[in-house]
Amino acid sequence: DAGVTQSPTHLIKTRGQHVTLRCSPISGHKSVSWYQQVLGQGPQFIFQYYEKEERGRGNFPDRFSARQFPNYSSELNVNALLLGDSALYLCASSLIAEAFFGQGTRLTVV
Amino acid sequence: GENVEQHPSTLSVQEGDSAVIKCTYSDSASNYFPWYKQELGKRPQLIIDIRSNVGEKKDQRIAVTLNKTAKHFSLHITETQPEDSAVYFCAASINQAGTALIFGKGTTLSVSS
Repeated sequence: DAGVTQSPTHLIKTRGQHVTLRCSPISGHKSVSWYQQVLGQGPQFIFQYYEKEERGRGNFPDRFSARQFPNYSSELNVNALLLGDSALYLCASSLIAEAFFGQGTRLTVV
Repeated sequence: GENVEQHPSTLSVQEGDSAVIKCTYSDSASNYFPWYKQELGKRPQLIIDIRSNVGEKKDQRIAVTLNKTAKHFSLHITETQPEDSAVYFCAASINQAGTALIFGKGTTLSVSS
């Protein structure tokens, strides 16, 4: 029973670069959401996708974008990286309400 | 938009004691309230949730209560054990297709034996 999988698990990028994070939801789940978790804080909502359409967007700049593919996997893209983008990026998939999280991608911007 | 406040930020109890964590939310349209446990370096794990048409839900040592009028909900852990030590997050969402959760800032629970 495969859970939510994210890749890569760790990533180091330089300021100004671009990054793409990937998420595969639990089989049968059509909704994927992305969260940013800074050390010591709760996850902050970035995007929600359902059936390949954006259904919600949190308070993040336009440098953040995402998409969902026909197989329900998803990508989160961040352009022009800033030091403050360093965080754990979590993906969650859900069928109806319960959201199950992946192990996250630890992004470090130097 | 929705805002979730969580208290206390840290909680220390002796093994066997009870622990209570409280959250308030601002958007009266929210109708789904999950609780997550996150151990150091691991992903948040769903431990219990409650929907707005229910006032209380229990699962073994864990219970959640919801007061929609006051817009607050609470997590109760009885007979705490050292393995309950972790960060606990409450969240709220409008339960439409898929889930966009707004989280509280977390409570670090320490259970000493």
